[in-house]
Amino acid sequence: DTAVSQTPKYLVTQMGNDKSIKCEQNLGHDTMYWYKQDSKKFLKIMFSYNNKELIINETVPNRFSPKSPDKAHLNLHINSLELGDSAVYFCASSQGSGGSKNIQYFGAGTRLSVL
Amino acid sequence: KQEVTQIPAALSVPEGENLVLNCSFTDSAIYNLQWFRQDPGKGLTSLLLIQSSQREQTSGRLNASLDKSSGRSTLYIAASQPGDSATYLCALTGGGADGLTFGKGTHLIIQP
Repeated sequence: DTAVSQTPKYLVTQMGNDKSIKCEQNLGHDTMYWYKQDSKKFLKIMFSYNNKELIINETVPNRFSPKSPDKAHLNLHINSLELGDSAVYFCASSQGSGGSKNIQYFGAGTRLSVL
Repeated sequence: KQEVTQIPAALSVPEGENLVLNCSFTDSAIYNLQWFRQDPGKGLTSLLLIQSSQREQTSGRLNASLDKSSGRSTLYIAASQPGDSATYLCALTGGGADGLTFGKGTHLIIQP
């Protein structure tokens, strides 16, 4: 069983469209995250949720809106897609805070290409 | 603001060699340091996590050390194998539900 799963794996779309990426974890973790890996392979935190509540919202355009229907899911919705949104988006989860509970487990990533 | 630097950016060594990857950070107020590997087109695999109160962690041929006072961590790989070829990423967290701050990685190639 995949611990952190993201769908779709690949997403190709036109500029201006709205799209969503889904993430689910079956580890029973309390905290989930979204990261963006740009064309230079640099990974940067976008959002973190703890028990369905937003904890971190880094400097991300408000076109990006995370939604957590329950602890096991953190979906990422992107409005009015732009060329610069092309990247690989990774979902991750951790048990919580404190020592080894903060080990983060990553999904396989979603490669988004905006044409 | 925390900055993480990894040196070297790329490394190519013959199979069987022992090697060291370096990670430095600017703010010593870290909670955990985590080493990952990323294979091309794949996600991240957690290798080792060192809590701020720890000095090192070992898993098989891998040993990671942490020196908070000097702002450094090293990942030691013993008896390298071609299967170790990947990008190795160092990442830090300040605790709580903080996200990880990543370095740009070291691209490692082990020549058969």
